[in-house]
Amino acid sequence: KNQVEQSPQSLIILEGKNCTLQCNYTVSPFSNLRWYKQDTGRGPVSLTIMTFSENTKSNGRYTATLDADTKQSSLHITASQLSDSASYICVVRRSGGSNYKLTFGKGTLLTVNP
Amino acid sequence: GAVVSQHPSWVICKSGTSVKIECRSLDFQATTMFWYRQFPKQSLMLMATSNEGSKATYEQGVEKDKFLINHASLTLSTLTVTSAHPEDSSFYICSASGRGRHSGANVLTFGAGSRLTVL
Repeated sequence: KNQVEQSPQSLIILEGKNCTLQCNYTVSPFSNLRWYKQDTGRGPVSLTIMTFSENTKSNGRYTATLDADTKQSSLHITASQLSDSASYICVVRRSGGSNYKLTFGKGTLLTVNP
Repeated sequence: GAVVSQHPSWVICKSGTSVKIECRSLDFQATTMFWYRQFPKQSLMLMATSNEGSKATYEQGVEKDKFLINHASLTLSTLTVTSAHPEDSSFYICSASGRGRHSGANVLTFGAGSRLTVL
């Protein structure tokens, strides 16, 4: 069964600290993996997208890693800011066919406190 | 970049009325659109997937007669909540998938969401 599991479900850190969010998936065959940030009451916004051949990709203070062999991805946030408080969602796309299906993780709710 | 416009951003309606939410892809052709529902402090819950020109595929437990989805063109999908009741109050989000008009790359972009309050 195609699944995306994210951990932790929620995380509280102090401003300025780093943190790492995890995403494990069983989706196969794999096409790409995306990380989204969703602020409360807003739609998700794309942070990174990684294909099979990419191991790491950065977007400012956000760095995503991908291990396609172990089917694991992580999102590392450096020097956290209050504005990083949001839900972070991992989405995996299955390859093949014109009507592909996306599998969403349930998200990690990050709270950055001053 | 790929942009999805969703509106209205918020709507208040009386119980028993119907509400339509629109989702438009502005600079790419959305071959597939997804509709989600999200309750406070919970994750996105996929309601249905629609391909242009085809009937939507609904997730288990989602009433297709209650939530009407139309995807008649490559740039527009609509969700109509029929005979809305207070329990339908929620945050509804669409996302569109397709190929960028200029880059040709696969895109997956979310709308900003629509908050529905049924009185």
